[in-house]
Amino acid sequence: QQQVKQSPQSLIVQKGGISIINCAYENTAFDYFPWYQQFPGKGPALLIAIRPDVSEKKEGRFTISFNKSAKQFSLHIMDSQPGDSATYFCAAIRKGGYNKLIFGAGTRLAVHP
Amino acid sequence: DVKVTQSSRYLVKRTGEKVFLECVQDMDHENMFWYRQDPGLGLRLIYFSYDVKMKEKGDIPEGYSVSREKKERFSLILESASTNQTSMYLCASSFGGSLYNEQFFGPGTRLTVL
Repeated sequence: QQQVKQSPQSLIVQKGGISIINCAYENTAFDYFPWYQQFPGKGPALLIAIRPDVSEKKEGRFTISFNKSAKQFSLHIMDSQPGDSATYFCAAIRKGGYNKLIFGAGTRLAVHP
Repeated sequence: DVKVTQSSRYLVKRTGEKVFLECVQDMDHENMFWYRQDPGLGLRLIYFSYDVKMKEKGDIPEGYSVSREKKERFSLILESASTNQTSMYLCASSFGGSLYNEQFFGPGTRLTVL
């Protein structure tokens, strides 16, 4: 049973479009929500992260929106580029433990030129 | 620049063999992690270690064990490999002391058990 539910499983976007990936969770003990980006043949790398006391965080073309009451958060990639084609994982970390990541199932993004 | 290296990129083993996957990090990180990555399931934590000789079970420890004799090295052991352990294995490390410390991942080892 997936503690962090991620959708869609795959996404195709045209260059310049907006990519949106959604995640939802149930456990209110989660206290930190990072997103990881993974290119083929590489390990995941931290892209952007948010804490639940903030509703939005933006870094360049990447924005996390966080809705604490709905227990949902999403990644928006503005002006999507072919170089953004990768697999994206949302994750959550529980309060009070070591920084053990609980991952969503992943979204494979393809940005077409 | 943080570097997490894994001993093999690809490994093919037979059912019943003992398999060792090695991970080394060069940033003096306290925490080290082993995940397996399967399509549609994301990454799932097998074991982690927060200090030398210390280990904690993750979400799917069955069929695996770990060893951490030195701070920079964390080994994953499959005592008797089975076909359902065919997967991509990823090692990660981070500083301790905070939930918010970034985990740095190695490139992964793709293990096939025949």
